[in-house]
Amino acid sequence: QKEVEQNSGPLSVPEGAIASLNCTYSDRGSQSFFWYRQYSGKSPELIMFIYSNGDKEDGRFTAQLNKASQYVSLLIRDSQPSDSATYLCAVITNNDMRFGAGTRLTVKP
Amino acid sequence: DAEITQSPRHKITETGRQVTLACHQTWNHNNMFWYRQDLGHGLRLIHYSYGVQDTNKGEVSDGYSVSRSNTEDLPLTLESAASSQTSVYFCASSDGIVAKNIQYFGAGTRLSVL
Repeated sequence: QKEVEQNSGPLSVPEGAIASLNCTYSDRGSQSFFWYRQYSGKSPELIMFIYSNGDKEDGRFTAQLNKASQYVSLLIRDSQPSDSATYLCAVITNNDMRFGAGTRLTVKP
Repeated sequence: DAEITQSPRHKITETGRQVTLACHQTWNHNNMFWYRQDLGHGLRLIHYSYGVQDTNKGEVSDGYSVSRSNTEDLPLTLESAASSQTSVYFCASSDGIVAKNIQYFGAGTRLSVL
């Protein structure tokens, strides 16, 4: 079992819809959780981070963490074509950051 | 503006050659990391450093080495390049508590080993 798992997609949503990206992790002791966005041929850039159970909102983005179920999700409201990218989930466990393989999101105009 | 730069951006080399990829950051961050990214695997940690003279192995460290002689630089050396090391390499840096560190990435180096 991979330590951090994501559905590789592609996930396709129409413009204006809500995109929901999910990530599960294997270690209950994991401490910190991050979502990075990566455009094709570019480097990852941080979108959100969350440390505690519950929801964290930043503009159109909401990160949700459920440590009991060991999943973290990212919701993108009012999706735009510019949101089309690969979204990487990252988890820190014992000071060691591990990334999922990423979910490719396509937002269709 | 502070930044993190990688060089070269593209490199083609031959099997068996030694290759060094440079990473330089001007944020004065203590923590620096090297990853490789391959299709289907996401980012995998090669080596990392929490400060000058400190280096640690990541999950895919075989065939790679790093040294940290100052805060700004963490060069990655492939001792004897292999075709399996063809990949995109990203350097990252962060500051503060590692357990909550936000990493900032360089633009990447695309390495082809022929």
